[in-house]
Amino acid sequence: DTEVTQTPKHLVMGMTNKKSLKCEQHMGHRAMYWYKQKAKKPPELMFVYSYEKLSINESVPSRFSPECPNSSLLNLHLHALQPEDSALYLCASSQVVAGTNTGELFFGEGSRLTVL
Amino acid sequence: GESVGLHLPTLSVQEGDNSIINCAYSNSASDYFIWYKQESGKGPQFIIDIRSNMDKRQGQRVTVLLNKTVKHLSLQIAATQPGDSAVYFCAERGYGQNFVFGPGTRLSVLP
Repeated sequence: DTEVTQTPKHLVMGMTNKKSLKCEQHMGHRAMYWYKQKAKKPPELMFVYSYEKLSINESVPSRFSPECPNSSLLNLHLHALQPEDSALYLCASSQVVAGTNTGELFFGEGSRLTVL
Repeated sequence: GESVGLHLPTLSVQEGDNSIINCAYSNSASDYFIWYKQESGKGPQFIIDIRSNMDKRQGQRVTVLLNKTVKHLSLQIAATQPGDSAVYFCAERGYGQNFVFGPGTRLSVLP
């Protein structure tokens, strides 16, 4: 069983909707990530938070808005998405040691998003 | 045998045989590598890792080999079982201390 919990598991939304994906971990990890994964493709990094501060944004369109309310929670707010944004969205966490994201990534089971 | 489909290479092996999954990585400065297993409908699951100061590491039924000269990583699975059927990704940690994933290989275990 994964120690990173993502909700919802499935989400269907229209292009004008506003929705959010949620991620929670209680391993004390201070780095949290959002990845996007299309079918038959590897995960692609979207955002990295380190100590609740956004440290990396991989040129993600502004219709995706991340938020890290505290060290255990990570949200991804969705607005005005396009059908091509349909994908599996994976949350992950890792330890931070000496200021660097270190150790393995622990992944959640993902939220499968369909944009109509 | 191994075949390359439209998007994802596939390796088919008989149950009980050994499997070897290969990965070419891109960044010679990468210092840490992980193999992940992803079953259908699930998130990637850690299998084994190796740091760049090593060339081999063994786990339970799995071995990772690292060849830095040619930037090549391999995952060996001994006595492959039906439960090993999944997509396997290598991941390298390089610039910015973040992981980049390889394209993945689908392992299919034949009865």
